[in-house]
Amino acid sequence: DAGVIQSPRHEVTEMGQEVTLRCKPISGHDYLFWYRQTMMRGLELLIYFNNNVPIDDSGMPEDRFSAKMPNASFSTLKIQPSEPRDSAVYFCASRGQGAPGPFFGPGTRLTVL
Amino acid sequence: GNSVTQMEGPVTLSEEAFLTINCTYTATGYPSLFWYVQYPGEGLQLLLKATKADDKGSNKGFEATYRKETTSFHLEKGSVQVSDSAVYFCALSDYSGGGADGLTFGKGTHLIIQP
Repeated sequence: DAGVIQSPRHEVTEMGQEVTLRCKPISGHDYLFWYRQTMMRGLELLIYFNNNVPIDDSGMPEDRFSAKMPNASFSTLKIQPSEPRDSAVYFCASRGQGAPGPFFGPGTRLTVL
Repeated sequence: GNSVTQMEGPVTLSEEAFLTINCTYTATGYPSLFWYVQYPGEGLQLLLKATKADDKGSNKGFEATYRKETTSFHLEKGSVQVSDSAVYFCALSDYSGGGADGLTFGKGTHLIIQP
């Protein structure tokens, strides 16, 4: 298996622009997680899905952030409009039912100028 | 709520030294505990895990024992190598039965091994 795939690996954009991050989980995994990593706040859970349904989005910072999972093999995290404080590394992770530890993707490094 | 506390870094050691990275946790239930490692420019990799009290997780010479009485999950390695230089994250999952949530991470400990 190729593992969790994220794209793009790096994204540089200007304040106010829309940003879309993409994730393909490991085939067969029922859970998908989006995390954000910054120096100040460390790793934070933004949202997670079970069987394509959002279960807990309490970590999503504000209405500018939205996440979707239209099918079992694809998820997006969208920021509109983006702001410089959104600059971070965004990780997608997935795991199967009954497995306690998720597998992480390589991350997308987002820079908002 | 759940929380994880790790020792502050960076931790700098010489090659072949003994490593301990402390981790303590607070959780309402009976969490599973993890150590993840992040090499420069990469994502997190699961290093080891333990799902119940007194379990010992081990991998690549690293080990950690789930201590319920002290709410700890300290990471140890007997002889570190330069290639072990990375950031290490302790984490817990309050996973129980059909429920699930994401991991709660510590802040991470940057380990630097000098030749």
